[in-house]
Amino acid sequence: ELKVEQNPLFLSMQEGKNYTIYCNYSTTSDRLYWYRQDPGKSLESLFVLLSNGAVKQEGRLMASLDTKARLSTLHITAAVHDLSATYFCAVDLNYGGSQGNLIFGKGTKLSVKP
Amino acid sequence: DVKVTQSSRYLVKRTGEKVFLECVQDMDHENMFWYRQDPGLGLRLIYFSYDVKMKEKGDIPEGYSVSREKKERFSLILESASTNQTSMYLCASSAFGFVTDTQYFGPGTRLTVL
Repeated sequence: ELKVEQNPLFLSMQEGKNYTIYCNYSTTSDRLYWYRQDPGKSLESLFVLLSNGAVKQEGRLMASLDTKARLSTLHITAAVHDLSATYFCAVDLNYGGSQGNLIFGKGTKLSVKP
Repeated sequence: DVKVTQSSRYLVKRTGEKVFLECVQDMDHENMFWYRQDPGLGLRLIYFSYDVKMKEKGDIPEGYSVSREKKERFSLILESASTNQTSMYLCASSAFGFVTDTQYFGPGTRLTVL
């Protein structure tokens, strides 16, 4: 059974600090996704990582993928309050070459305090 | 702009009622998905569909059925609602093919079963 584990599940940060969220998964996959969810809202796509060594950056967020270690990281640089949200990683089971079933981690609830 | 819409943001039903949740996407996507989201459990896949009239069970299909008569519309049906189906329901869609696209989510329907 594929498992996707995120840690930490809760993260309280001070503004200006750096931190990393980890996403481990238990089976071979070369497609990993990061999403953001604001309270009461739906999920918004942040990054799509498609190969080993892939790195994507958007503003203060940078995501990377190590398929050999089955690990993705989401690094937050100089956090600001606007980054407060829940972040999910998801792994593609890659049925038949199409993007099909994603398995989600439980999410990391990030709170950035002044 | 990509768009996935769901028929209701909030819904209150009684135990034993038949409940229909509708999802429509305007991106001509082949794949459509229904998830439920519960605190501490993350997103769990109920059903997905990769073509009209096709459906596949996800991780938690019991108590649910789906219908996809048209490409843009994917319906989730609770045949006889129960209190343990109180949850947030999220619909998503994605493109089919080897060029991976992310999943696009609707705003969600918060269902309460009394």
